[in-house]
Amino acid sequence: SQQGEEDPQALSIQEGENATMNCSYKTSINNLQWYRQNSGRGLVHLILIRSNEREKHSGRLRVTLDTSKKSSSLLITASRAADTASYFCATDPNPNNNDMRFGAGTRLTVKP
Amino acid sequence: DTAVSQTPKYLVTQMGNDKSIKCEQNLGHDTMYWYKQDSKKFLKIMFSYNNKELIINETVPNRFSPKSPDKAHLNLHINSLELGDSAVYFCASSARFPGETQYFGPGTRLLVL
Repeated sequence: SQQGEEDPQALSIQEGENATMNCSYKTSINNLQWYRQNSGRGLVHLILIRSNEREKHSGRLRVTLDTSKKSSSLLITASRAADTASYFCATDPNPNNNDMRFGAGTRLTVKP
Repeated sequence: DTAVSQTPKYLVTQMGNDKSIKCEQNLGHDTMYWYKQDSKKFLKIMFSYNNKELIINETVPNRFSPKSPDKAHLNLHINSLELGDSAVYFCASSARFPGETQYFGPGTRLLVL
């Protein structure tokens, strides 16, 4: 069954605006990751946040994790047209240590 | 240098045929995976191999048979293809299992007619 669920399903913004995507999951986790998928391409790893971390930054990306709410958010600041892609969260369930589970993704469109 | 590569990139075939998809990683990773991405964009894990041993085998029809000749390769053979097998299949690898960061191949788009 799906573990991560992204929200919204689709997001359209203007270049320069910030984009926020959310992810909710059901079971406890070891870590949560965000991936980007450009149309017709494979997934690219963006950032990993561990269950004992609350916030992480990487360039224009900011990820937060709230384990009490079982949710995470991905913020892309000062968006660019090249950020247009689908963004997936993936959780590494704990304690089963089973493999990562992906949601259906948020489709982000950044208009120039 | 491509880290995780898959061949072919596109595969169009008739129902009932048998086909294979190949995956290779040059990252020196121990663990490799096959995922299926359906039309709704959900990624579902199918198989995982760690050091050539099968460690994850989700509920997948036994028409799908993975094979790992060595740590760097994980191939997927599909017998008697059905319309519902049409999807994008992604191969991925991670340094170890349980995996942390997974590195994905570009995907193989399979269309069964």
